[in-house]
Amino acid sequence: EDQVTQSPEALRLQEGESSSLNCSYTVSGLRGLFWYRQDPGKGPEFLFTLYSAGEEKEKERLKATLTKKESFLHITAPKPEDSATYLCAVLRGSNDYKLSFGAGTTVTVRA
Amino acid sequence: DSGVTQTPKHLITATGQRVTLRCSPRSGDLSVYWYQQSLDQGLQFLIQYYNGEERAKGNILERFSAQQFPDLHSELNLSSLELGDSALYFCASSVGLRSETQYFGPGTRLLVL
Repeated sequence: EDQVTQSPEALRLQEGESSSLNCSYTVSGLRGLFWYRQDPGKGPEFLFTLYSAGEEKEKERLKATLTKKESFLHITAPKPEDSATYLCAVLRGSNDYKLSFGAGTTVTVRA
Repeated sequence: DSGVTQTPKHLITATGQRVTLRCSPRSGDLSVYWYQQSLDQGLQFLIQYYNGEERAKGNILERFSAQQFPDLHSELNLSSLELGDSALYFCASSVGLRSETQYFGPGTRLLVL
């Protein structure tokens, strides 16, 4: 069965203090790794899709990278509005179309 | 705004009752997915429909069922509700059958008393 483990569970940052979130995965034939942002009580908001080891994608202060066993979400000079839960999900390379999600990392950025 | 809509936003009901949650996918998307999010289980995939047909099943209870209509909107029916069914229910949509990127709706918060 697919396993997606995110660490840390929670991260408290000072505004401007860069950090990284980790997503390690075990999946049979990775077809894609996804990062979502979720605000309390709201639906996950799509951020990135990564398909192969070595791939990187950036959006504003966020940068996602992928290796064969894990993905990192780097937050550079975060602002309070970056406070959210960041979810990682994997899609296996088969006829199974479901996303398997990790438990998420809750990031709090203090001004 | 992802373009996926869900109604109602909130639902409060009693044990043993039946409810229906509704989802309209983004314009042009043919696949609809249902997920359940509870505090102790995280986001769990329930079921996928593509162009009106069921295509994948996850951890969906027999008390739960879904369908996708010709206009592509979908409904998730939850029956014989139990306290443990209280959760956020999300619908997501994607363009095709094998499209990877799923866009989520705002969710329906279900509280079973």
